[in-house]
Amino acid sequence: GDSVTQMEGPVTLSEEAFLTINCTYTATGYPSLFWYVQYPGEGLQLLLKATKADDKGSNKGFEATYRKETTSFHLEKGSVQVSDSAVYFCALTRSGSARQLTFGSGTQLTVLP
Amino acid sequence: EPEVTQTPSHQVTQMGQEVILRCVPISNHLYFYWYRQILGQKVEFLVSFYNNEISEKSEIFDDQFSVERPDGSNFTLKIRSTKLEDSAMYFCATHGNRALGYTFGSGTRLTVV
Repeated sequence: GDSVTQMEGPVTLSEEAFLTINCTYTATGYPSLFWYVQYPGEGLQLLLKATKADDKGSNKGFEATYRKETTSFHLEKGSVQVSDSAVYFCALTRSGSARQLTFGSGTQLTVLP
Repeated sequence: EPEVTQTPSHQVTQMGQEVILRCVPISNHLYFYWYRQILGQKVEFLVSFYNNEISEKSEIFDDQFSVERPDGSNFTLKIRSTKLEDSAMYFCATHGNRALGYTFGSGTRLTVV
């Protein structure tokens, strides 16, 4: 079945450091890929998405590129802020009738001032 | 921006009691989902609902669970006889025609004692 594997956390960085959170996936066909963010005490918010190979999703300074050859969708940000502290989830949904999201285990990011 | 509203935000219930979690989806969305997140673990798919019937469900969604859309606006998840292991955050999610615009509610934290 489908699965998403994320880099284990927690990750602690200083403000303005470079962030990479690794995500790889296993799925049949051509899934759509997502990054969701969960701030403390809140629900899941879509951060960015990519629907086909070589697409780059970007939002709020975060980027991720859909790499079919490596089945990866790594999240990056050049300069993190304290306000980026949250849990980040990589997820996929397959094309066709099975529309539910399959999530990775989440990566807790803490950014220190 | 349209929101998915979930109530209550927190529910404490005794083991064996029935609970109903409520969700008000975005009005023009057609697909409805319930996910759960046990504390510290990944977000798991429970069930999807389209055209007034269940379209897919996971192995977690056993006979103790049911969903309905009783009045055309609310979307509910009922757990008939709660167990300790049902303690989790339950998220409602909806989207329109394409599985690219999921919107999640802020969740209901269910605590079974």
